[in-house]
Amino acid sequence: DIQMTQSPSTLSASVGDRVTITCRASQSIVGWLAWYQQKPGKAPKFLIYEASTLQSGVPSRFSGSGSGTEFTLTISSLQPDDVATYYCQQYNSYPLTFGGGTKVEI
Amino acid sequence: QVQLVESGGGLVKPGGSLSLSCAASGFNFSAYYMSWIRQAPGQGLEWLAYISRSGKTILYADSVKGRFTISRDNTKNTLFLEMNSLKADDRALYYCAGTAVTGDWYFDLWGRGTLVTVSS
Repeated sequence: DIQMTQSPSTLSASVGDRVTITCRASQSIVGWLAWYQQKPGKAPKFLIYEASTLQSGVPSRFSGSGSGTEFTLTISSLQPDDVATYYCQQYNSYPLTFGGGTKVEI
Repeated sequence: QVQLVESGGGLVKPGGSLSLSCAASGFNFSAYYMSWIRQAPGQGLEWLAYISRSGKTILYADSVKGRFTISRDNTKNTLFLEMNSLKADDRALYYCAGTAVTGDWYFDLWGRGTLVTVSS
């Protein structure tokens, strides 16, 4: 199984800060990586696929990059609405696996 | 309105069974590849099971293989998860989720979840 490791587990930043979350895969997943945002009490929301392609309707302050085993999610200017836990997910192979999550606080 | 609505969660004793449903509306359910994903309280996301659009291809996580069964009825726009031999570790919020994109196994559509509690 492919293990997905996210860092940090918690991140505290100020409004307007640039925020970066890292996701590492235990083996190459090429670019088959998705990112999700989950707010408390809500279902995850799909943000990014193929490591860097923004889902329709997602604000442009979100961006993704990476390939192989190392990936990043960046929020260019943190907004109060971005407070949430973010998860990466590999879909290179089954079983599909998620990172442990990164909680973003302001 | 495009939505997935899970139901069937509740309290069950260890060793017991429970059947979950996920009702789809507002879109062509038969075009979607579907999965069940769960989230234990305060924990991360765990993929459990996948079913192809026709139902011919089914995959399970090792943690539920042999105990859980995923199925779908495209005529009723409904996804199912039959859960047997439930353990305390199965306590979680269970989501149905899927995508219509062929060959991409991410989840662009999610339900709100149904809570399963396993306790004596």
